[in-house]
Amino acid sequence: NAGVTQTPKFQVLKTGQSMTLQCAQDMNHEYMSWYRQDPGMGLRLIHYSVGAGITDQGEVPNGYNVSRSTTEDFPLRLLSAAPSQTSVYFCASSYRLARYEQYFGPGTRLTVT
Amino acid sequence: AQTVTQSQPEMSVQEAETVTLSCTYDTSESDYYLFWYKQPPSRQMILVIRQEAYKQQNATENRFSVNFQKAAKSFSLKISDSQLGDAAMYFCAYRSGGGSNYKLTFGKGTLLTVNP
Repeated sequence: NAGVTQTPKFQVLKTGQSMTLQCAQDMNHEYMSWYRQDPGMGLRLIHYSVGAGITDQGEVPNGYNVSRSTTEDFPLRLLSAAPSQTSVYFCASSYRLARYEQYFGPGTRLTVT
Repeated sequence: AQTVTQSQPEMSVQEAETVTLSCTYDTSESDYYLFWYKQPPSRQMILVIRQEAYKQQNATENRFSVNFQKAAKSFSLKISDSQLGDAAMYFCAYRSGGGSNYKLTFGKGTLLTVNP
């Protein structure tokens, strides 16, 4: 199993550009989510999905879009990048019960200039 | 909303010694799960240990153990016989046992340094 994979590992964008962060998992997990990590803030939930075709907002969803057309993939779209979106982004997945561990991808470091 | 507080931004420990990282949380729920994650310089998030709120027994995983005080809403992590590889950022996290959110609420982290 590859686990949770994320691409790219690093990205630099100019303000106003759009891009998609890719996330895929091969563990047949129903639940997938995106977090952002900022210094001194811990990880904060952006969007999540409990299954194909179902997505919902987390605590910091503004400026981001998601879709879940398959169980395996959960891309995160930045519609018009802003410097405030400079962060490290993590994708995570788990089975759809709270007791199960969430597995994290390696992260994407995004810089918006 | 649930909150998780880690009051120690940084801690240090001598190799082979024991260190305890603190975590408190606020919730009105009775069914929940608590986790400690480790993030080394590689950035990878690694699960260290998990505690179910309904279990009175403290979880242990080799050199890692927790002190779970449900009434006090405290969930500290003890690392025994510290090793250089334990140096990392440690995050305490809360997950509700009910609902459909399944999200993890993280504390702000404690940076652990291990001195040789």
